[in-house]
This record gives sequence, C-alpha cells and structure tokens, in this order.
Amino acid sequence: EVQLVEFGGGLVQPGRSLRLSCAASGFIFDDYDIHWVRQGPGKGLEWVSRISWNSATAAYADSVKGRFTISRDNAKKSVYLQMNSLKVEDTALYYCVKDIGRMTTVTWGFGSWGQGTLVTVSS
Amino acid sequence: DIVMTQSPLSLPVTPGEPASISCRSSQSLLYSNGYNYLDWYVQKPGQSPQLLIYLASTRAPGVPDRFSGSGSGTDFTLKISRVEAEDVGVYYCMQAVQFPLGFGGGTKVEI
Repeated sequence: EVQLVEFGGGLVQPGRSLRLSCAASGFIFDDYDIHWVRQGPGKGLEWVSRISWNSATAAYADSVKGRFTISRDNAKKSVYLQMNSLKVEDTALYYCVKDIGRMTTVTWGFGSWGQGTLVTVSS
Repeated sequence: DIVMTQSPLSLPVTPGEPASISCRSSQSLLYSNGYNYLDWYVQKPGQSPQLLIYLASTRAPGVPDRFSGSGSGTDFTLKISRVEAEDVGVYYCMQAVQFPLGFGGGTKVEI
C-alpha cells in the first residue's frame, strides 16, 4: 500500500523558514515524481512544486519560485520542501503527492496523497 | 501560465440523476504524444483529494464506472451518470501538460 506521510509543519513568523518532509513507502520510490500541493484555509488546491524521479529537474509555482526549494533523498525515500522567506499567504495544508506515471517526462496524475501537514505563517 | 476555469461553481444534484461539470483551459492540453493532460479530482469532506480521471478520459483504479471524462484541446467535461450520496464533495480539474501545473477553482457538488 502506498503511503505518504508529511511532517514538519507548524506556526512560524513571516520571513522565517520551515522545512517540510515527506516519508514514502509501499512503492519503488526511485521511479516516481513527487509533488507538493497546498490548500489554504477554506480555499482550493494550488500546485506548489515537483521533483523528478531522478532529481534531474524541479519545477515551482510562480508564487513560491525563489523562496522554496524541493529535494529528495532516494536512499531515505523522502522528499523535502525548504520554505524560506515565508509569507502570511503561504499558510496552508501542504500535501505530498505521488504521480501515477512511472519515470515519465509529463505528469499523468496524482494517484496518491498524504494527509497533509499544516503550515501557519503569522506574527 | 495556463488558466483553468470550471463551471458551475456549485451544483445541486439529485441521487439517481446525472450530473456534469465543465472545465476549460486557456491553452490546449494536447501533448505531442496525442494525449490530453487533464485530470479530475474529488475532495470529499474532511479527506485528502483523490484522483478520478487522468489523461482526460482514463478512470483511475477503483473509480466507479458512473464517472466518465471527455473532451480535447481546451474543453473538458466530467460526467456522473447516476449521482450517489457518497459523491458529494468538491471536484477539481487540473492541467498537467506544462509547468506550472494548475487547478480549476473547484465545483461543489451537494445533494
């Protein structure tokens, strides 16, 4: 069974940093792209970032580009999201998400989602 | 960036009756391999979203066949042939053809 468990969320002041982690199990981790998707309180879904299965490429939403960095450690079956210069509008539930496509160049779909970790940016 | 627009915003439904949600993209979602990179998700109350349809018309594993996706290019539709009470939730379309990926604003389906 595919499992994605996020942790690292919490309350942080504007301008500070936070690092989210996603621990994966139940599939061949090395073969799949992993994404982060967030959902602000009472709002819709927003795609945040993606790292390719081989760490060769990363992509970011315009709203986080230059502030967030995604990375992965295939030996630890984990993905990380380093969030710097946090803003109030970054407040959201952050989901770790697995693509259903294996070793693909284009995203097929988000077949597995974690339960999310809540990030609150407030002074 | 590709902008995704869903309609309606809210969709009252009657169990046993059909329902339909529209999704339009500001650019074509047709990739060079002939597939349209359009997904449909549902987020049921208190749950993480789940994948219903990918590549515009392929049902994800375990998804009931009352759900179907259609469309090509910039216009897509999600249909529920006979709504059941468990189908309530917010439905989202998402374009996956190019980064940054983008979701529609969501359609709230309620009985």
